Amino acid sequence: GQQVMQIPQYQHVQEGEDFTTYCNSSTTLSNIQWYKQRPGGHPVFLIQLVKSGEVKKQKRLTFQFGEAKKNSSLHITATQTTDVGTYFCAGLFISNFGNEKLTFGTGTRLTIIP
Amino acid sequence: GAVVSQHPSRVICKSGTSVKIECRSLDFQATTMFWYRQFPKQSLMLMATSNEGSKATYEQGVEKDKFLINHASLTLSTLTVTSAHPEDSSFYICSAGWETQYFGPGTRLLVL
Repeated sequence: GQQVMQIPQYQHVQEGEDFTTYCNSSTTLSNIQWYKQRPGGHPVFLIQLVKSGEVKKQKRLTFQFGEAKKNSSLHITATQTTDVGTYFCAGLFISNFGNEKLTFGTGTRLTIIP
Repeated sequence: GAVVSQHPSRVICKSGTSVKIECRSLDFQATTMFWYRQFPKQSLMLMATSNEGSKATYEQGVEKDKFLINHASLTLSTLTVTSAHPEDSSFYICSAGWETQYFGPGTRLLVL
């Protein structure tokens, strides 16, 4: 089956430092989505990337989708304490039967040292 | 964005009892909803796809007779954990949407 891996599993950074999490899929994706889950909360949609090589920015967050549509990254510039949480990528796969299935990555837990 | 609600938010039950969790799409109709389970410090694992008016599609390894799903209307899907055991204790989350998924706030189940 499809697998979506993320690295690193954990990241501790000083406030103000940058942070990057990488997402890799075993198969080509229809699109990739990123979610943020705060401790004790539920996943909240951040962004969706569809096109090969696509780059999108949301303030201090930069999202990239690889040329082969099998990998993606999320980069946060100058982290703030509000960035704390677990960041999940989720790949949308289209099965041979035409069904859509969203497979979540393993997640990267970000903690900020004030 | 779209709103998805879940009820209850927390439930504690005795081993052997059944627990029903409701997932509602509040401002849109959802022919398909998804049920996930998340163990502490782990990722979300898709359990099943709930289809309005038809049988749910279960992921490999998920017992359909244990996790009963009913999607009787375009705004409501229910997940019933039958004969719950301590190992079923987890965070259950539903989602609905089209290309992007809107998640409910989740239900924390503790089976004693």
